[in-house]
Parts: sequence; C-alpha cells; structure tokens
Amino acid sequence: DVKVTQSSRYLVKRTGEKVFLECVQDMDHENMFWYRQDPGLGLRLIYFSYDVKMKEKGDIPEGYSVSREKKERFSLILESASTNQTSMYLCASSFRHEQFFGPGTRLTVL
Amino acid sequence: GESVGLHLPTLSVQEGDNSIINCAYSNSASDYFIWYKQESGKGPQFIIDIRSNMDKRQGQRVTVLLNKTVKHLSLQIAATQPGDSAVYFCAENDRTNSGYALNFGKGTSLLVTP
Repeated sequence: DVKVTQSSRYLVKRTGEKVFLECVQDMDHENMFWYRQDPGLGLRLIYFSYDVKMKEKGDIPEGYSVSREKKERFSLILESASTNQTSMYLCASSFRHEQFFGPGTRLTVL
Repeated sequence: GESVGLHLPTLSVQEGDNSIINCAYSNSASDYFIWYKQESGKGPQFIIDIRSNMDKRQGQRVTVLLNKTVKHLSLQIAATQPGDSAVYFCAENDRTNSGYALNFGKGTSLLVTP
C-alpha cells in the first residue's frame, strides 16, 4: 500500500514564525503536491513538484515556498506565518493521475 | 452539487437508498476525472476515475457518469451504508496544460441516516 506521512497531525504556531511541514512518501512517486483545505472551499493547490529540485506554483502560492531535495520528501515552508494561514494542509503523491493523500496537518496560527 | 461559499452542499439519504452526487466542471479540455471520499479526520481516498473517452464506469457499488456535452459528472452509490457518510470531492485534470495537477471541486457532504 502507498503510504504518505506528514510530520504532525496538529501544529500551533505564532504569527511571524517560520513553519516547516514535512511530507514523505514510500512509493517512489515522481509527483508530489501540497494543498490547503478550508471549509466550503475544497482543496486548493499551493505548490507541486514533478521531480527532485523541481517545483511549480499552484493556485495559491503566495506566502509559501517548498523544497524537494529528495524524491520521497516534499516540504512546505511558511516563511512568516500569518493568521490567515490557519488551515488543514494536505500532502499527496502520484505516479500519474491518481493522487494518494496523507492524513493532513491542522495548523493554527495565533 | 458543487457550490461556492462556506457551507458545503449536503445530501441526506436513508440507509439502503441510492445516492447521487453531482459535479459541474468548466474546462472543456479536461480529459480525466476522479472522485475522492474524505472521512472526518482523514485525507481524501480514491473512489473511482474516468477518462474523457468514456461516459460511464462502474466499480463496486459505485458508478461514475460523465456528460461532456454539459460538462457534468456524477457519482452514484448503490445501497448507501452508514460508512458512506463522508465528504465527496470531484476533481478534473487537463493533462496538456496542468501536467498531473488536479483541480478539485468544493465538496458535497453525504449523510446517511438509519
């Protein structure tokens, strides 16, 4: 079975802090994705990556950056967390179209 | 069906009935469609997918129908069970423009009552 793990289920940070969300997949997938999920807005794509050291902006990249130094790991970085970044963050990986999701990290920025 | 705003559309069905969840999409170049189920506290899980060269695909208790003329997708669940209660998302992909990135709808909440 494909397994996508995220470093934390719940995270509380303060405004202005630098936040790292880590995602690891064990299926040698080339594609990895970061979404945020807010009530009534569905999943919105922040960034994605098709290969090591490659990244593409999604629909809402502002305020975020990413890092993919190894194929299995895709990190989402909030350079200076703000309250409007309080959300559920979901990571996914895929070989082709079907994406496999992690359990999510619920981030609260105070 | 899908909607904009803070409140999820909710479909309430009785256990044993059939459920139909609808989804509209706008990109006529989309060539792949997928349904996900998300239970409370979990990430979305794959249910079924369909390519644009098909108009129907069946799985175990689920059927996806695609009407490209009106850009409409539906998920039918037969003999709905309490374990089907979840939020359901449709997603589409336009491979030539977006690679493998999926564009998700806003979700429909399915509530199965005894």
